[in-house]
Amino acid sequence: DAGVIQSPRHEVTEMGQEVTLRCKPISGHNSLFWYRQTMMRGLELLIYFNNNVPIDDSGMPEDRFSAKMPNASFSTLKIQPSEPRDSAVYFCASSFGDRRYNEQFFGPGTRLTVL
Amino acid sequence: GESVGLHLPTLSVQEGDNSIINCAYSNSASDYFIWYKQESGKGPQFIIDIRSNMDKRQGQRVTVLLNKTVKHLSLQIAATQPGDSAVYFCAESSRNTDKLIFGTGTRLQVFP
Repeated sequence: DAGVIQSPRHEVTEMGQEVTLRCKPISGHNSLFWYRQTMMRGLELLIYFNNNVPIDDSGMPEDRFSAKMPNASFSTLKIQPSEPRDSAVYFCASSFGDRRYNEQFFGPGTRLTVL
Repeated sequence: GESVGLHLPTLSVQEGDNSIINCAYSNSASDYFIWYKQESGKGPQFIIDIRSNMDKRQGQRVTVLLNKTVKHLSLQIAATQPGDSAVYFCAESSRNTDKLIFGTGTRLQVFP
């Protein structure tokens, strides 16, 4: 089992550039979560999908952030335009089922640095 | 990515000793709690969970205690090993929301 796969692992970009983070959930899982982790705010849920449908995007900080899940095996988180305050580690997690009791498996994260 | 803060509370223990990591939560409606372990450069990893109808739950070398009266959660690690060195997060959720709300974390350092 390859686990949740995220790419890239590290991304350095300049302010104003578009950034796309990618996630491949564990095969068979039907819920996918995007989190952001910073020193100041800890680990925050940005958005989660169930069966490829966004269920709760209330954690998305602003319109510069968007997420898609075109199929069960792929999701993207896009930031356009990026700003230095977006610098963080972004985690993708997946689980089987749509209940909150279902264990979430986290990917290794993407460390984003916006200069 | 090493994502944890520089100013996390830190617990230092000697190898073989027992560790107790504490977590306070504020939402009295929270009824499900999880402990996660995050090693450097990795994502959080599930350790153990507990529902509010229980006070205690045991796993392999780990025990979670829940005190709903004072809204306190603890993780006990028996015979702590160097591989236990990590940041530990508690997370809570309630019926009002399916979201997991994570605590700020505690860094556990194990010395030989």
